[in-house]
Amino acid sequence: QQQVKQSPQSLIVQKGGISIINCAYENTAFDYFPWYQQFPGKGPALLIAIRPDVSEKKEGRFTISFNKSAKQFSLHIMDSQPGDSATYFCAASWANYGGSQGNLIFGKGTKLSVKP
Amino acid sequence: DSGVTQTPKHLITATGQRVTLRCSPRSGDLSVYWYQQSLDQGLQFLIQYYNGEERAKGNILERFSAQQFPDLHSELNLSSLELGDSALYFCASSVDVAHDEKLFFGSGTQLSVL
Repeated sequence: QQQVKQSPQSLIVQKGGISIINCAYENTAFDYFPWYQQFPGKGPALLIAIRPDVSEKKEGRFTISFNKSAKQFSLHIMDSQPGDSATYFCAASWANYGGSQGNLIFGKGTKLSVKP
Repeated sequence: DSGVTQTPKHLITATGQRVTLRCSPRSGDLSVYWYQQSLDQGLQFLIQYYNGEERAKGNILERFSAQQFPDLHSELNLSSLELGDSALYFCASSVDVAHDEKLFFGSGTQLSVL
């Protein structure tokens, strides 16, 4: 129940194309769903996040779609660029007793390669 | 640059030894989180400290311990090291106020246990 399942493991997209990464969860107590981007040799960096009271959130070329009933959420990268080549992690958390939500359960990651 | 500093960047040690990883959070951040990243387990939450107090525990082994000091820097102590402890250890910090859950990760400490 603590798992967040992410797919695909790897993804190759042509420049200008749409990259789609999917995640699924079981624990209905989760109420915070961020996506993190990680480049080689660096720590993960927050890309975009959503809470279950909305079904979609868009920031620039990045969109999260959230389906509460299906317990699934996905990241869409529009007009994918070679600079987007990185590993993407979905995650989920619920507020702990102090109200913190940084104790994230991460998916296994998707390695995205955008070909020029 | 996330503003979170981790030292050392690389650490090579032998089984049975003890090491200490250090983290300096972003200025003003009260929360420090420790994560472990390995090929088989992925990114796993270990422990969180908030203003010097332990706030949440994840999949942290009993051989591992952490603390946060009055100046808010944190240390992760790993003892009786085993080969399987080889991993990338990340520290992250946040302001930790409601609806501002953004974590800022350091660049990590790569631990190799030989």
